[in-house]
Amino acid sequence: NAGVTQTPKFQVLKTGQSMTLQCAQDMNHNSMYWYRQDPGMGLRLIYYSASEGTTDKGEVPNGYNVSRLNKREFSLRLESAAPSQTSVYFCASSESNRVQPQHFGDGTRLSIL
Amino acid sequence: TQLLEQSPQFLSIQEGENLTVYCNSSSVFSSLQWYRQEPGEGPVLLVTVVTGGEVKKLKRLTFQFGDARKDSSLHITAAQPGDTGLYLCAGASGGGADGLTFGKGTHLIIQP
Repeated sequence: NAGVTQTPKFQVLKTGQSMTLQCAQDMNHNSMYWYRQDPGMGLRLIYYSASEGTTDKGEVPNGYNVSRLNKREFSLRLESAAPSQTSVYFCASSESNRVQPQHFGDGTRLSIL
Repeated sequence: TQLLEQSPQFLSIQEGENLTVYCNSSSVFSSLQWYRQEPGEGPVLLVTVVTGGEVKKLKRLTFQFGDARKDSSLHITAAQPGDTGLYLCAGASGGGADGLTFGKGTHLIIQP
């Protein structure tokens, strides 16, 4: 089973460029999340989608947009990338809108020059 | 904003030793999860504790949730090199799918 699949695995952008990070899960989960992980900061929630058709801001949403395309897919878009957005981005999913174990993808390593 | 403080941040010990990692907060959590993360991979769930005072064991790993549901600990007995990794605690405030609050993690190295 693939679980949570993120693409791409690595990306280098120039300041001001735009990009969409893709995430898909095959576990029929209702809730999906985007986190960023920075050294010394742990994982911080960017946006989440409790169910298909809904999205909400997390702790650090500025500079990002999301789309819950369908139940399987949840994308994260950087409209105008900034060096401060250099990070490792993780997508996660959970079964329902009650607290459930979250299943993580292997991350997208993004560098903004 | 709920915060989770993990300690220590870094720990390097010899194979066979015991260790404890702590996760503390001033906030109450409805549940707390422990994850382990290896380089280049996403976090993988180890355990979820829900009830205050709850103790769960996973082979040589013992997890405890504080009575007041504000803190948790992870104890490893007879550590092995395969235990090396980043250990993360994460708390849920409960109710909605508003994600988890993560601690900053404990980098654990077990030397042969």
